[in-house]
Amino acid sequence: KQEVTQIPAALSVPEGENLVLNCSFTDSAIYNLQWFRQDPGKGLTSLLLIQSSQREQTSGRLNASLDKSSGRSTLYIAASQPGDSATYLCAVTSGNTPLVFGKGTRLSVIA
Amino acid sequence: NAGVTQTPKFQVLKTGQSMTLQCAQDMNHNSMYWYRQDPGMGLRLIYYSASEGTTDKGEVPNGYNVSRLNKREFSLRLESAAPSQTSVYFCATRTDRGLGYTFGSGTRLTVV
Repeated sequence: KQEVTQIPAALSVPEGENLVLNCSFTDSAIYNLQWFRQDPGKGLTSLLLIQSSQREQTSGRLNASLDKSSGRSTLYIAASQPGDSATYLCAVTSGNTPLVFGKGTRLSVIA
Repeated sequence: NAGVTQTPKFQVLKTGQSMTLQCAQDMNHNSMYWYRQDPGMGLRLIYYSASEGTTDKGEVPNGYNVSRLNKREFSLRLESAAPSQTSVYFCATRTDRGLGYTFGSGTRLTVV
């Protein structure tokens, strides 16, 4: 059974810092990995999707990397802003199996 | 382009009451999913439907039933609500090439 772990559970940083969120998964035979953002009381917004054949994806100040062999992904946020404050969720899917989620990292960026 | 639409957004039920959560998508995707989100537990899969006419159990199906009414709609029914079903429920679809999921805005359900 696939299990996804996100570390740390919560993170507080001053504005302007670069930061890394970590995600690990137990079964390396994944099809793709998706990072989501969730604001309090809101739904999930997809940030980045990395297919199993890819090593990384970038969108603006966000960069996600994937190392299938070690079962790890990182989400790098450059020059953090208070508007980046949210919960970040990592999820993986293997073939046709549904998405399996980590419990998320709650990020606070302090102005 | 609405994407995935869930109704209602909020609901309060008494223990033992029944209700149906509605989900509709306009992206013409075959696969649809119901998840619940609880503090400290993350998102857990309740049921999913790989295509019209098929449904499968997820991690936490007890107390729920689903109907894939057509390609657009996938409903989740609570026959006899219990306080343990207090949660936020999310519906999602997946592109047919498996390239990512899209989520609705959620239904916040409280059972008293």
